[in-house]
Amino acid sequence: QVTLKESGPALVEPTQTLTLTCNISGFSLSTSGMRVTWIRQPPGKALEWLARIDWDDDKFYTTSLKTRLSISKDTSKNQVVLTMTNVEAADTATYYCARLSYGGYGYYLDYWGRGTLVTVSS
Amino acid sequence: SYELTQPPSVSVSPGQPASITCSGDKLGRQHTSWYQQKPGQSPVLIIYQDIKRPSGIPARFSGSTSGNTATLTISGTQAMDEADYYCQAGDSTTVVIGGGTTLTVL
Repeated sequence: QVTLKESGPALVEPTQTLTLTCNISGFSLSTSGMRVTWIRQPPGKALEWLARIDWDDDKFYTTSLKTRLSISKDTSKNQVVLTMTNVEAADTATYYCARLSYGGYGYYLDYWGRGTLVTVSS
Repeated sequence: SYELTQPPSVSVSPGQPASITCSGDKLGRQHTSWYQQKPGQSPVLIIYQDIKRPSGIPARFSGSTSGNTATLTISGTQAMDEADYYCQAGDSTTVVIGGGTTLTVL
């Protein structure tokens, strides 16, 4: 059974660094073809893809936030960590981690975590 | 990066078919997935690789593509289908998600 679970602070002050962890079970991040992404959703707004990390440690970021994001993995703990520097109120959102699968005909997000709500406020 | 465009809202009467479109310049060369999100819940994959349904997704959900437009169709829409729907595409380096469509079952 594949599960992903996000964790992190509920409240972060502006200009601080946000660190989020995705704990994974049911598949191994070291297995060829495994990919995990982070996606966020501001209250009442649409989903936004942020970053992705692959089994071979390839990393990809959305262009608009590339300078502020860093994604990494700890295969021994089967975790993916996302850090976002210099947060601001506009970063208030529910942050999801999701597995990105590829079936030979495109990429799709087949398993999602429940999300964690992060509020940026002083 | 490019964008996927969805109508903000679609309304449908119970029992009638509902269609939600997703357009993007590269959709003719990429494959589309669709997600359903109900209030307070995580998105759920309902269509992948343009036309495939994951196990457990009702057969009334179907996907199709034509040129640079992908379409999600719900035949015999039920009240429980009222939700936000998102299309998604991408390539080997990026994931692109549409702006979402709120489906209202009147």
